[in-house]
Amino acid sequence: NAGVTQTPKFQVLKTGQSMTLQCAQDMNHEYMSWYRQDPGMGLRLIHYSVGAGITDQGEVPNGYNVSRSTTEDFPLRLLSAAPSQTSVYFCASSYTGSNEQFFGPGTRLTVL
Amino acid sequence: QKEVEQDPGPLSVPEGAIVSLNCTYSNSAFQYFMWYRQYSRKGPELLMYTYSSGNKEDGRFTAQVDKSSKYISLFIRDSQPSDSATYLCAMSLDNYGQNFVFGPGTRLSVLP
Repeated sequence: NAGVTQTPKFQVLKTGQSMTLQCAQDMNHEYMSWYRQDPGMGLRLIHYSVGAGITDQGEVPNGYNVSRSTTEDFPLRLLSAAPSQTSVYFCASSYTGSNEQFFGPGTRLTVL
Repeated sequence: QKEVEQDPGPLSVPEGAIVSLNCTYSNSAFQYFMWYRQYSRKGPELLMYTYSSGNKEDGRFTAQVDKSSKYISLFIRDSQPSDSATYLCAMSLDNYGQNFVFGPGTRLSVLP
C-alpha cells in the first residue's frame, strides 16, 4: 500500500494564480481531510469529507474548494492564491469511527 | 486563550534522558487524546492514543491524561537521537475521526 500520497511536493505560485493540490489514498478510508500547518499555529482543518460526494468546511475554509468524486481522491483547489496561503498542506485519511488519521508527506506552497 | 497550548521548544536533551512533553487544553468536553510524531519535512504519524483519563504505556513511551487539570503528557524513557522530531498533541470530542484540535507542537532534539 502506498498510503496517502500528495502531489506536488513543492509549488511556487504568483498572487492570483489558481492550482490544485492532489491527494489520493489506497486504504479505502471513508474520511479524508485537508490541513494547513503554519509555524506556531499547529495543524488547522481546511475541509473534510466523510465519503464520496460529501464535503464540509473546517476551521479555515476561505479561499479553498474541495470535491470528492471517488473514495480514493480528494483534491484541494486554491481559487486565487494569496501570500497568506503560503503554508505546508497535509492531506489525511481515516476510517469513519477511528481517530487514527494517516497523513500524506505534505505539499510546501509559496505564494509570491 | 488558545484551545490547546503546547510549549514550542526547542527542547534539547542528552541521549538516554527522560523527556516530558506536555499540553494543556481549555475544552473539558475532549474525550480522546493523541500524540503525533512529525519528523522534519514529513507528515505526522500517530504515536499514542488514549481515551479519557489515565495512563497508557507502549515501549519507551507513556501517555498520561489528567482531565481534572486539563493536562496531558508524553514521557519518553531512554531517549534516542531517532526520537528527534516535533511532537504534536491532539484531542477530539468524539471517535468519529472529526473535530480534531492539534497543539502547535514541541520540537525535540536528542543529542548523542
